[in-house]
Amino acid sequence: KAGVTQTPRYLIKTRGQQVTLSCSPISGHRSVSWYQQTPGQGLQFLFEYFSETQRNKGNFPGRFSGRQFSNSRSEMNVSTLELGDSALYLCASSLGLAGGNTGELFFGEGSRLTVL
Amino acid sequence: AQKVTQAQTEISVVEKEDVTLDCVYETRDTTYYLFWYKQPPSGELVFLIRRNSFDEQNEISGRYSWNFQKSTSSFNFTITASQVVDSAVYFCALSEAADTGANSKLTFGKGITLSVRP
Repeated sequence: KAGVTQTPRYLIKTRGQQVTLSCSPISGHRSVSWYQQTPGQGLQFLFEYFSETQRNKGNFPGRFSGRQFSNSRSEMNVSTLELGDSALYLCASSLGLAGGNTGELFFGEGSRLTVL
Repeated sequence: AQKVTQAQTEISVVEKEDVTLDCVYETRDTTYYLFWYKQPPSGELVFLIRRNSFDEQNEISGRYSWNFQKSTSSFNFTITASQVVDSAVYFCALSEAADTGANSKLTFGKGITLSVRP
């Protein structure tokens, strides 16, 4: 079956702009989570959505937001971009069910954002 | 707060050598999950194993084996007879067991870059 699809794969923005990244989870998966990966900070959890509701949130400023649609597809948005937002943004999907595959996340190849 | 430490940053071995990747974790939770993920150059993280805190049984899967020791808060990963295709970044991760039993919030270590030379 198809894996997690993220678009766009690469993008370049300038400081102050905003960006929207998209993630299509594996069919049947209801949980989508987002991670930021940078050389300095490593992999950091941004947030998780389940059935269109944010279920968990990491320690990121309010400029980082997301949403999930009824078909489980998710978008994340970063407003007022800063140089430090340059990173690989990874989306992961899972069934997200209680007692189910806790933490067995399936990751996409990521969206690499460069902020100039 | 949860923390995962992967003290090794880069390891280089020659093909067919055995290699062990170390992982030490910190958590106040009594119930938690530990994971290993592999990140090849393409970028996506590939799930390798999950272990819950009540299961200290070691596991072997082909050339891969994992040693979980609660007494030392370690969850080490050994690749036997390494191959060039094993070259990747390997991450150890930790998650709490939420009341719902479902939790996608993982705390990752900084990763270990493994290079296997022919």
